[in-house]
Amino acid sequence: AQSVAQPEDQVNVAEGNPLTVKCTYSVSGNPYLFWYVQYPNRGLQFLLKYITGDNLVKGSYGFEAEFNKSQTSFHLKKPSALVSDSALYFCAVANSGGYQKVTFGIGTKLQVIP
Amino acid sequence: DAGVIQSPRHEVTEMGQEVTLRCKPISGHDYLFWYRQTMMRGLELLIYFNNNVPIDDSGMPEDRFSAKMPNASFSTLKIQPSEPRDSAVYFCASRQAGGRGNEQFFGPGTRLTVL
Repeated sequence: AQSVAQPEDQVNVAEGNPLTVKCTYSVSGNPYLFWYVQYPNRGLQFLLKYITGDNLVKGSYGFEAEFNKSQTSFHLKKPSALVSDSALYFCAVANSGGYQKVTFGIGTKLQVIP
Repeated sequence: DAGVIQSPRHEVTEMGQEVTLRCKPISGHDYLFWYRQTMMRGLELLIYFNNNVPIDDSGMPEDRFSAKMPNASFSTLKIQPSEPRDSAVYFCASRQAGGRGNEQFFGPGTRLTVL
């Protein structure tokens, strides 16, 4: 079975500072990895994905994530946080063989402090 | 495109009543997913369809839950009878076929409260 762990329920960061939201995964075979963001009372919005190729992937709103196969991690990063980045962030994984079925993490609340 | 459309946005009902949630996927998308989100369990996949055919319903919690997709532009999730523990936000999502890593597009969700 595939799974995602987001070890931090909440991450607090000052505006302008770099941010990291952590994610580790477990899956058989090659992983497809995703990050989504959810704003209050809204559905999830896609940020970025890793399928193959360069381990560093860039996505929407200045976010990026680094795939690390040996550590089975896919941490989300941004060089300079904005107050508007405050939201709930979900990491997700799918198996390259059964890619339709995506498993989501529990979510990490990001709070950017002005 | 209007994105994935869900209705109603909020539903309050009493235990034992039938509840029907509706979803219109993005035109041209071949896959449709129903999820349930709660504080305790996070986001759970209930069922998904490919070309209107249910492929995997292993996440449907019990026989009280059923889902249909009569055509490419409409799906329903029905709970009968509803129970307080069904209270959650229910999301519908769709995605295109053709790309193995295509992302899902989520609707705004239906917040269900069962009293």
